[in-house]
This record gives sequence, structure tokens and C-alpha cells, in this order.
Amino acid sequence: NFMLTQPHSVSESPGKTVTISCTRSSGSIANNYVQWYQQRPGSSPTNVIYEDNQRPSGVPDRFSGSIDSSSNSASLTISGLKTEDEADYYCQSSDSVIWVFGGGTKLTVL
Amino acid sequence: QIHLVESGGGGVQPGGSLRLSCTVSGFTFSASGMHWVRQAPGKGQEWVAFIRYDGSSKFYADSVKGRFTISRDNSKNTLYLQMKSLRTEDTAVYYCVKAADSETFDIWGQGTMVTVSS
Repeated sequence: NFMLTQPHSVSESPGKTVTISCTRSSGSIANNYVQWYQQRPGSSPTNVIYEDNQRPSGVPDRFSGSIDSSSNSASLTISGLKTEDEADYYCQSSDSVIWVFGGGTKLTVL
Repeated sequence: QIHLVESGGGGVQPGGSLRLSCTVSGFTFSASGMHWVRQAPGKGQEWVAFIRYDGSSKFYADSVKGRFTISRDNSKNTLYLQMKSLRTEDTAVYYCVKAADSETFDIWGQGTMVTVSS
């Protein structure tokens, strides 16, 4: 099985842009879609990016996703940061019939 | 509006059993694959199990294989997770999650807490 590695935490100021990385340990990042989930304190996760770079309806276009085959990683970028973006973010991908989550990144907007 | 409501969580001793249920509404349950995902206190998400829309195939994380069983009753719009031989490391909030496709965890329930302790 593979692992997805994320930074433990990131912080940035309101109005700025932040990027959270997610590196796949084995197997190509391009072989299976990457999804991203937001989990605010005390709430259930919600999907903010699916299929590498697609936004579900209702997710603002300040959220974008990408993959980079050269580094075997995916990224979630949030621009125009708002205090409401402060949350834990998880990447997720799969391999056949195994679904894997990254360890999560705590985003602090200060 | 889509709703997923988990129930059945609680406290149990190591070695014990528990059955979780998830009742859904607002979408065609019989056409949707479903997952269970758990989150230990202060930790990240861990995928537990998946069942295809018709129950024909089931898949499990290695950590629960042989101890947990996922099932569904499409006539009752209900998903189940039977948990046996519970261990302290199974302590977590358990989420019922609708699958959008083969890869995306689409809609999450509010979760039910399972505590395994002596």
C-alpha cells in the first residue's frame, strides 16, 4: 500500500495565498485521482476538490487543485485567504480497492 | 437535501462487539456505493470499508479485515458496520460516507463515537 504525506501545519495571513502539498510514496500520482477535504473544528469533512482539480458546486473558485508528476505530488491552493478557511485539510487517493488519506494539514489563518 | 445519520456508537470493553447503522435520505441509496471512515481522537481520517451499490462486493482496510463486516439493506436505506473483537485502537468517530464515484467521498454523516476501553 502507498502513503500520502502532508505537512503537519501551515499558516498565512488573510488575503494571501497558501499551498498545501500531498506526496504519494509509491505508484504514480497521475494513475488515480486526488481529492481534498476540509474539516472545520467540530464538523464532518466536506469535499472541496475532486478528480485532481474539479470543484464541487458551492466551493468558491479561491480553491484549486493540481498534480505534479515530476514530484509525484498533488497540491491544494487557496487564494484570498479568509478566516473561515482555517481548518484541517486532507488529501485522498486510491489504488484499486484501497482508499488512502493523507495525515492532514492544519491551516491557520492569522 | 441529502442526510446520512449514524447511530449505534457507545462504550464497549476490549473484545466486545457493536453494530453501527447509517440511515440515509435525499438520494437513491440503492444506486450508491458507501464507505465507513473513522477518525481517532486528535488524528486524521482512516478508510475502514466500502460496499458496492448492490452489496455484491465489499472491501476492508487491513486493520479491520476479519473483524468488521459492512452490509446494507437497500429496502431500508440503511448501511451497517458490524464490529467484533474490538480493540482500544478502534476508538474513533465513525463516519458513514456516500461515494460519488469509485474515488470520491462525496457526502459525510455527522459521525458516531465508539469508545473501546476497560
